[in-house]
Amino acid sequence: QSVLTQPPSVSAAPGQKVTISCSGSDSNIGIDYVSWYQQFPGTAPKLLIYENNRRPSGIADRFSASKSGTSATLVITGLQTGDEADYYCGTWDRSLNDVVFGGGTKLTVL
Amino acid sequence: EGQLVESGGGLVQPGGSLRLSCAASGFKLTDFWMYWVRQAPGKGLEWVARLEGVGSTIGYADSVRGRFTISRDNARNTLYLQMSSLRVDDTAVYYCARDFRYLGLDPWGQGTVVTVSS
Repeated sequence: QSVLTQPPSVSAAPGQKVTISCSGSDSNIGIDYVSWYQQFPGTAPKLLIYENNRRPSGIADRFSASKSGTSATLVITGLQTGDEADYYCGTWDRSLNDVVFGGGTKLTVL
Repeated sequence: EGQLVESGGGLVQPGGSLRLSCAASGFKLTDFWMYWVRQAPGKGLEWVARLEGVGSTIGYADSVRGRFTISRDNARNTLYLQMSSLRVDDTAVYYCARDFRYLGLDPWGQGTVVTVSS
């Protein structure tokens, strides 16, 4: 049972937009920055978003994110088949004194 | 930008020990918090341990505290994870990662596979 809750899967057609939610609490998302990661099968995770909504250099602006209260959302626009991957949110939990991740969301581009 | 390369994984029996290494290039380990994160087969990401760059603050997940030790060799610019009393449920791909900004972990190493089985 992950501390952060993500939907197990989402899907959308090429060219469309998809949102992935990450729900937490006052001890994690509510008071700390959220990061998002993309992971293709058999490879290491890759940082997509840090500090809630900032993109590292080289990350396409089709990827954006926001945070409101105790939830965060990753938005991917102009979906491509190459976006099919697992997506994870992560943050710090001040009650647990632990790094916490969501359980991951598998994106299928139909 | 920086690069991380892990090594040291393998097959070990329950109760055994293993030491993972994470060689950093392009940056100094002492300038950043560093993390070990693992991923069991078919499962999500799980934080394992962390080590402060400037100081020596260390943290461990409850699941490994008392069994795993994170450390660093500044001269070799290499991060380590000493794992002992290994259990079957420690089987996973182990990644090292740099804390780029406020727990935005980047880069990650390629991962090293640890299999605990008799």
